[in-house]
Amino acid sequence: AQSVTQLGSHVSVSEGALVLLRCNYSSSVPPYLFWYVQYPNQGLQLLLKYTSAATLVKGINGFEAEFKKSETSFHLTKPSAHMSDAAEYFCAVLDTGNQFYFGTGTSLTVIP
Amino acid sequence: EAGVVQSPRYKIIEKKQPVAFWCNPISGHNTLYWYRQNLGQGPELLIRYENEEAVDDSQLPKDRFSAERLKGVDSTLKIQPAELGDSAVYLCASSSRGLGTGELFFGEGSRLTVL
Repeated sequence: AQSVTQLGSHVSVSEGALVLLRCNYSSSVPPYLFWYVQYPNQGLQLLLKYTSAATLVKGINGFEAEFKKSETSFHLTKPSAHMSDAAEYFCAVLDTGNQFYFGTGTSLTVIP
Repeated sequence: EAGVVQSPRYKIIEKKQPVAFWCNPISGHNTLYWYRQNLGQGPELLIRYENEEAVDDSQLPKDRFSAERLKGVDSTLKIQPAELGDSAVYLCASSSRGLGTGELFFGEGSRLTVL
């Protein structure tokens, strides 16, 4: 079975600062990788996905993530944080058996 | 295009009472998932359907939880009797294996509080 590790359950950044949320997966075969965002009292919304094409993936709201096979990582970044980015972020892996595995999430706080 | 629709959004019940949640997936999506999300945690799979067949229900507590997906469209998740530890958000998601990369589309969830 796959496992997804998100380092840092809580991350705080100042408005305008770089956002970096970390995700590592366990797999010898590059799977499909996703980042989802969850705002309070809402479901999860897809931010971006890696599908074995370009290793640098651009998503919505200025977010991007880079797939690094050698590091089994898929970290999420945004150059400049906005107050509206405050939310819970989940990294997920889809394996060849059509099974999703989610990380435990990272809560992002943006300080004005 | 309508997204995944869930109801009710909120439900408060006393322990030992039954409760049911309903999900209508995106039209044409043949895969449907029920997840449970506890506070501060990621979604945990309860059951996955491919059309009307439950292909993965290994994490569904079958002594009190049941689910069905008649005609391969709408789905219902039932808990009977509910326990205090069942308080959580129940998320429904759907995907299409035939298109794209099968990413999940989530509903807004049903928040259950058991008193």
